[in-house]
Parts: sequence; structure tokens; C-alpha cells
Amino acid sequence: QKEVEQDPGPLSVPEGAIVSLNCTYSNSAFQYFMWYRQYSRKGPELLMYTYSSGNKEDGRFTAQVDKSSKYISLFIRDSQPSDSATYLCAMVMNRDDKIIFGKGTRLHILP
Amino acid sequence: EPEVTQTPSHQVTQMGQEVILRCVPISNHLYFYWYRQILGQKVEFLVSFYNNEISEKSEIFDDQFSVERPDGSNFTLKIRSTKLEDSAMYFCASAGDSNQPQHFGDGTRLSIL
Repeated sequence: QKEVEQDPGPLSVPEGAIVSLNCTYSNSAFQYFMWYRQYSRKGPELLMYTYSSGNKEDGRFTAQVDKSSKYISLFIRDSQPSDSATYLCAMVMNRDDKIIFGKGTRLHILP
Repeated sequence: EPEVTQTPSHQVTQMGQEVILRCVPISNHLYFYWYRQILGQKVEFLVSFYNNEISEKSEIFDDQFSVERPDGSNFTLKIRSTKLEDSAMYFCASAGDSNQPQHFGDGTRLSIL
């Protein structure tokens, strides 16, 4: 079983829709969870950083962590064409530890 | 906003040659990392560096790889004798302290011919 599983997509949704992106993981030692956005030919850009189970909101983005189910989600409200990118879920066991990434989901927001 | 900068953006090298990839981390950061992403694959950890020494390295990071922080601002990755399979995007990342997440540069695309 892979450590972090993420559907690669592509996922196409109309502008203004709510987007739901998800990852599952197998190792309960993961404690910190991130979502990165990656545009073509660019590096991963940190969007959200969470520790505890529950929801964390930042503008149009909400990160959700369910440690009991080993499941994390990112919701994007009022999606915009500029949100079209690859979204990487990522996690670490300790704060200064190596990041384990999901494969990334390619998202297309259709105008 | 401070950012991690990497040079060059694209490096083309003959197989067997040495290559040095350069990174300038965010200025007050203490933890440094290299990752790579082979086309179509996941971003993979290579090495972490703290307090002037390697903290952890992956099985990818064999004797052909080395890292160095030659001065107070640069962080380099050297590949001594490049192979075709070293072709990838190489990302540098840094973090301020153990409470902070890692921030990434835009990467160096390494092409081995």
C-alpha cells in the first residue's frame, strides 16, 4: 500500500463551482498536513498547513483533516480559472521532517 | 514576500559530467532541503540539512550526490557523475524553524544527454 494516495485527475469543473480534492494515507505517524499548489514549470506553493483533525479556513480554501480515517481534503469555494493547477497533498511526521507528497491532482476550472 | 531562488532554471549536461545546482534559501531560515520530481512522478525527498550537516537522506541520495552551504546564503546540490536517470526537476526548500512548513523554489530543470 502506498504511503499517500491521491487521484491524479484531471478534474474539470465550471467556474464558480466548489472543488473537493482528497488524499488518503496509511501511516498514522503523520502529524502535519499541507496542501501545495503547483503551476506548470513552477515550484510547489504552500496553500494550507494544518495539524489537528478538523477544519482550517483561509479565504476561499478550507483544509479538512480526519486522522481517524487517515483522510485529508481541500475545498475551494467560488473556483476561478486562475485556480487551474496541480494540487499536491503533503504530510510530515515531525515539523522539520521530510515531506511525503501525493502524486498531485490536475485541476481545470472552465470559464 | 521572501522567496527561495534557484539557479539556473534549466541545465543541460552531458552524461558523466558534474553539475552543481544552486539555491538561495529565505534569509532567516535554518532548515534546508532538496527534492526532485521526475516527469510525471511524485515530488521525492533527497536530503535535509541543518546546522551545517545532513540530517537525513533518502536512498536516492547516493555517493554521487553531495550538498554544501559554502557561505551564509547559498545551498548547493552537486551531482558528481551524472546519469541519464538524473534528468528531473530539482527543488530546493527551506523552513524557518521546526514550527514552520517548508517553502519551495521554482526548481532547476536538469536534462542529461
